[in-house]
Amino acid sequence: EAGVAQSPRYKIIEKRQSVAFWCNPISGHATLYWYQQILGQGPKLLIQFQNNGVVDDSQLPKDRFSAERLKGVDSTLKIQPAKLEDSAVYLCASSLAGLNTEAFFGQGTRLTVV
Amino acid sequence: AQSVTQLDSQVPVFEEAPVELRCNYSSSVSVYLFWYVQYPNQGLQLLLKYLSGSTLVKGINGFEAEFNKSQTSFHLRKPSVHISDTAEYFCAVSNTGKLIFGQGTTLQVKP
Repeated sequence: EAGVAQSPRYKIIEKRQSVAFWCNPISGHATLYWYQQILGQGPKLLIQFQNNGVVDDSQLPKDRFSAERLKGVDSTLKIQPAKLEDSAVYLCASSLAGLNTEAFFGQGTRLTVV
Repeated sequence: AQSVTQLDSQVPVFEEAPVELRCNYSSSVSVYLFWYVQYPNQGLQLLLKYLSGSTLVKGINGFEAEFNKSQTSFHLRKPSVHISDTAEYFCAVSNTGKLIFGQGTTLQVKP
């Protein structure tokens, strides 16, 4: 069974530039999450999708971050414009629908903003 | 609101020694509890989870954890660690599907 795929693995951009990350969840997983993991901290949820609808985006900085999940499968997360404090690993995870199902994580995209 | 506190940021231990990584949580409602492991430059992998039933939960790679409701704790243990267990370990809680993570504990296994 293929896991959660993310690309790119690494990205370096200058502040005020824009960047996009892509995630392909495990086939059949209705729920998709984007987490931000700053160095030395635990992951923090940015947004949660159920199929193609947003369940929770309370921690998403909506002035600069946006995310979409077209057709309830792949998802993209965009930052525009980027700030230095956006340097982090962005993790995508997916799970079957339900409250106690296991979330499977991708390898993440490491973003460095200089 | 829910929160997770991992009491140790780093735990150094010698190979084949036992280890305990401590986790306390705060929640006004019933929650599910999880331990994840993260190897360098990798995503998170589930070690074990507590949903209900027996308070002693066994996971992969010889790890186990005990849920203690009165102390709101979910400590992770392994009786004998290997060099390959060196990694970052995260405790997490959930009751809506989204995971709330602690700060993480770095387990450093020395030969």
